[in-house]
Amino acid sequence: EVQLVESGGGLVKPGESLRLSCAASGFTFSSYNLNWVRQAPGKGLDWVASISTGGTYKYYADSVKGRFTISRDNAKTSLYLQMDSLRAEDTALYYCVRDGPPRMGTRSFDIWGQGTMVTVSS
Amino acid sequence: SYELTQPPSVSVSPGQTARITCSADALTSQSSYWYQQKAGQAPVLVIYKDSERPSGIPERFSGSRSGTTVTLTISGVQAADEADYYCQSPDSGGTYVLFGGGTKLTVL
Repeated sequence: EVQLVESGGGLVKPGESLRLSCAASGFTFSSYNLNWVRQAPGKGLDWVASISTGGTYKYYADSVKGRFTISRDNAKTSLYLQMDSLRAEDTALYYCVRDGPPRMGTRSFDIWGQGTMVTVSS
Repeated sequence: SYELTQPPSVSVSPGQTARITCSADALTSQSSYWYQQKAGQAPVLVIYKDSERPSGIPERFSGSRSGTTVTLTISGVQAADEADYYCQSPDSGGTYVLFGGGTKLTVL
């Protein structure tokens, strides 16, 4: 079964850091681009960052650029999101998401994890 | 950058057809995608490349594109289709990703 399982969320104070992890299974991890997408409580979906198959190319939403770092370890089939200088507006459920195969087009998000909650509050 | 605009809500009775639009303020050559998110669950891809349906998605879900507007159509709506629906499209370079604000489908 294709699966993405996030972990690492929690309650932190503004300005603090947190590292999210996503463990993948059931597919050839190194063949797929990956993403983080977040959803604030009661709000819509918000793309955060993407990383290419080998980790060379990384893209970030303007709202997190310079504060968040996406990375991956293909040997461990894991995706990460290092979040520094956290703000209250970063409070959200963070999803690990797979880009679908090429036949599904550019940036089709075909597999989603269940998410890990990050709360930034003093 | 550009924006994707969806109506906040759509309401239909069971068995009717629901149409949810997504308008872009700039024309791009990229495809669009639709996601269904039921309460308390992760989103699920229901349409890719404007009009293709992933395996396991019922035939009553279809997508279309006309100019800078894409439309998700749900024919013969069922109570189980009540959910939030989001359109999504990458920028012209395929690097950045944008979601519409979401549409809450209510089945009366």
